[in-house]
Amino acid sequence: GNSVTQMEGPVTLSEEAFLTINCTYTATGYPSLFWYVQYPGEGLQLLLKATKADDKGSNKGFEATYRKETTSFHLEKGSVQVSDSAVYFCALRKISATSGTYKYIFGTGTRLKVLA
Amino acid sequence: DAGITQSPRYKITETGRQVTLMCHQTWSHSYMFWYRQDLGHGLRLIYYSAAADITDKGEVPDGYVVSRSKTENFPLTLESATRSQTSVYFCASSEAYRGYPEAFFGQGTRLTVV
Repeated sequence: GNSVTQMEGPVTLSEEAFLTINCTYTATGYPSLFWYVQYPGEGLQLLLKATKADDKGSNKGFEATYRKETTSFHLEKGSVQVSDSAVYFCALRKISATSGTYKYIFGTGTRLKVLA
Repeated sequence: DAGITQSPRYKITETGRQVTLMCHQTWSHSYMFWYRQDLGHGLRLIYYSAAADITDKGEVPDGYVVSRSKTENFPLTLESATRSQTSVYFCASSEAYRGYPEAFFGQGTRLTVV
């Protein structure tokens, strides 16, 4: 079945450090891929997306590249800030071949804590 | 206000009671979803709807009922609440077009069953 696996947290970094959060997926075809961010007490917000192989999504200094060959969509940022402290979710949107409907499947989330 | 709103934001109920969580979106999105968020499990899909009057089960549907008589509303009902249904519930909506594949989330409802 379809699934998303992301690295266990929490991840603790110092300000200005380089961030990588790994995400791999299992799905047939070419699902759309997403990273969402959740700040304390809030809902999920879209951070970036990619809809086809080799697409690079980017936003607010974060980047992720859709790698079909490794079924991965790792999140990176060159220099994190304290304000980036949040929970990050990797997700995919998969269309059912039988019903034509789609749904989103999420990873378990990775908590990032950035220290000043 | 435009967007997707959930109500109530917080709810405490007793075991065995029926409780309904509301979700309303103003974009006329075709799809709507209900997820629950629990530590260690991430977000798990409860039910989803591809259009008004079309609903389908997700990963963890037991104990929940949904309906969608209007495009903009997608209420989630716990018929007889149990402590295991204590969770944060998120509603989301999205459009069907491939060019806009992302889902938009509400602020969540924190439900405690005592």
